[in-house]
Amino acid sequence: EAGVAQSPRYKIIEKRQSVAFWCNPISGHATLYWYQQILGQGPKLLIQFQNNGVVDDSQLPKDRFSAERLKGVDSTLKIQPAKLEDSAVYLCASSSFPSGQNSYEQYFGPGTRLTVT
Amino acid sequence: AQTVTQSQPEMSVQEAETVTLSCTYDTSESDYYLFWYKQPPSRQMILVIRQEAYKQQNATENRFSVNFQKAAKSFSLKISDSQLGDAAMYFCAYRSAFTGNQFYFGTGTSLTVIP
Repeated sequence: EAGVAQSPRYKIIEKRQSVAFWCNPISGHATLYWYQQILGQGPKLLIQFQNNGVVDDSQLPKDRFSAERLKGVDSTLKIQPAKLEDSAVYLCASSSFPSGQNSYEQYFGPGTRLTVT
Repeated sequence: AQTVTQSQPEMSVQEAETVTLSCTYDTSESDYYLFWYKQPPSRQMILVIRQEAYKQQNATENRFSVNFQKAAKSFSLKISDSQLGDAAMYFCAYRSAFTGNQFYFGTGTSLTVIP
């Protein structure tokens, strides 16, 4: 099966600019996650969707970050305006919760490396 | 919220030798899942091994095995016959069996394999 797709793979922007990342999960996966991974750290959950509803966005900086998952499939994460500390890899992952083989596993995309200058 | 701790920021191992990476976690739940993920440099994060908390038997996947100590809340990863391709960041992760399907990750251990 096709894996989790993300684009772009790399993005360089100046502070105060806006940027958007796109994620296409594995077909049929109901749960989608966006993580922020700062260099040398583990992934930190930003937002979790179950179909097109938000399950957890407690760590999403809502003054500048927004995310949507239209029709419960693709998702977009936006940052506006960007700050220097937003430089990180943004990972998308999906999971076939609640049912299906390996339903408790999540599959990661290749990530988008964002550099804010 | 659950916390996952990896106390070894960096580890190294000689090729063909065995290395153990440590992970502890904090939870009040009785049922959950534990995972080890591997993230090679500039490459995709992939699952190495998983353990269901209700299973007493330690999980094994080829050269990778875990030592799951539920009472001690410890979940270490043993890599036998280390290969150069094992060099990567390794992340321990926790997922509740009850609430929200959220994963909690540790800060990672960077493994170097010495030829």
